[in-house]
Amino acid sequence: EDKVVQSPLSLVVHEGDTVTLNCSYEVTNFRSLLWYKQEKKAPTFLFMLTSSGIEKKSGRLSSILDKKELFSILNITATQTGDSAIYLCAVGSSNTGKLIFGQGTTLQVKP
Amino acid sequence: NAGVTQTPKFQVLKTGQSMTLQCAQDMNHEYMSWYRQDPGMGLRLIHYSVGAGITDQGEVPNGYNVSRSTTEDFPLRLLSAAPSQTSVYFCASSARQYSRYEQYFGPGTRLTVT
Repeated sequence: EDKVVQSPLSLVVHEGDTVTLNCSYEVTNFRSLLWYKQEKKAPTFLFMLTSSGIEKKSGRLSSILDKKELFSILNITATQTGDSAIYLCAVGSSNTGKLIFGQGTTLQVKP
Repeated sequence: NAGVTQTPKFQVLKTGQSMTLQCAQDMNHEYMSWYRQDPGMGLRLIHYSVGAGITDQGEVPNGYNVSRSTTEDFPLRLLSAAPSQTSVYFCASSARQYSRYEQYFGPGTRLTVT
């Protein structure tokens, strides 16, 4: 059975800290891995990764994929209170566009 | 573009009632899907469609029906609501080709079944 597992499930840090969120997967017909941010409403897209070892970066957020070890990490440097959200990892399976989501990591950044 | 729209935003049903959650997108996306989100469980795929006239089941399809008569619309029907269907429902869409996994989500419908 396909599965995506995120860790930790929740995290509390202070502004300025650096955090690393983890996502491991066991999915047949892997096509891509995606990260989403959800702040009390609909998830919004952050990154899509398809190749191992190539870092994707957007401001203070970065992510990398390891297809051999079947995991990805999302790093957030110099965290701000606006980074408080649920971070969702999802894996795209087959050619249908189907996404399999992990449970999410709830990040709280305190002032 | 309005993107992905969902109606209603909130709904309370009694056990056994039926209803339809509406979803529409104006981006000419071929792929559309319905998810439910429960605390601590991420998003779980209910049904999805790769184009008009084509639908398939996701992880948790029982108790739900879908149809896709047009590219724009993808309604989700609850046949006989149960308390276990209390959840937040999201509709999403994506284009074909390389970006098909970059799904755009609607604002969600919060459903309570009593």
